[in-house]
Amino acid sequence: AQSVTQLGSHVSVSEGALVLLRCNYSSSVPPYLFWYVQYPNQGLQLLLKYTSAATLVKGINGFEAEFKKSETSFHLTKPSAHMSDAAEYFCAVSEVKSTFGDGTTLTVKP
Amino acid sequence: NAGVTQTPKFQVLKTGQSMTLQCAQDMNHEYMSWYRQDPGMGLRLIHYSVGAGITDQGEVPNGYNVSRSTTEDFPLRLLSAAPSQTSVYFCASSYRRGTYEQYFGPGTRLTVT
Repeated sequence: AQSVTQLGSHVSVSEGALVLLRCNYSSSVPPYLFWYVQYPNQGLQLLLKYTSAATLVKGINGFEAEFKKSETSFHLTKPSAHMSDAAEYFCAVSEVKSTFGDGTTLTVKP
Repeated sequence: NAGVTQTPKFQVLKTGQSMTLQCAQDMNHEYMSWYRQDPGMGLRLIHYSVGAGITDQGEVPNGYNVSRSTTEDFPLRLLSAAPSQTSVYFCASSYRRGTYEQYFGPGTRLTVT
């Protein structure tokens, strides 16, 4: 069975600081891994995805994530936070069905 | 393309009432899913479908029914609403082949009093 654990339900950073959102997964097969972002009162939209083509994946809005099989991790980073990055972020693993983490709310302080 | 559409956006029900949440997609996706989102609990899968005429239960199926008569539509029925079903409901779709990247609708916010 697949599962996802997001470490930290709330992360707060200052504008311009590094963003690091943590995700660990378990899956019985090589996984497809995703990060989705949800802005207030909206649905989820894809930020980036890992499909085994490359371990470092670049997404929209300057985010990237690195797949580390040995650590079963897929952490999301952005070098410099912007106020517009404030949102909820979900890590997910998919085979046919998708399993989502509980989400991490990112707050960006001016 | 409209993508994934959901209606209504908001709904208030009394306990015991029934209703159907509508979901449609125009991307010819084979897979469709319903999730509920509750604070601190992420998205939990209610039901999903891998094609017209084929549905299966997810993590939290009790109190909900689905059917898939066409590729485009995947309605979610609440049989007898309960306050525990107060939530935000999202419909999503994806291709059968590929990476299972999901496309989400805007959600329906349901309150059961």
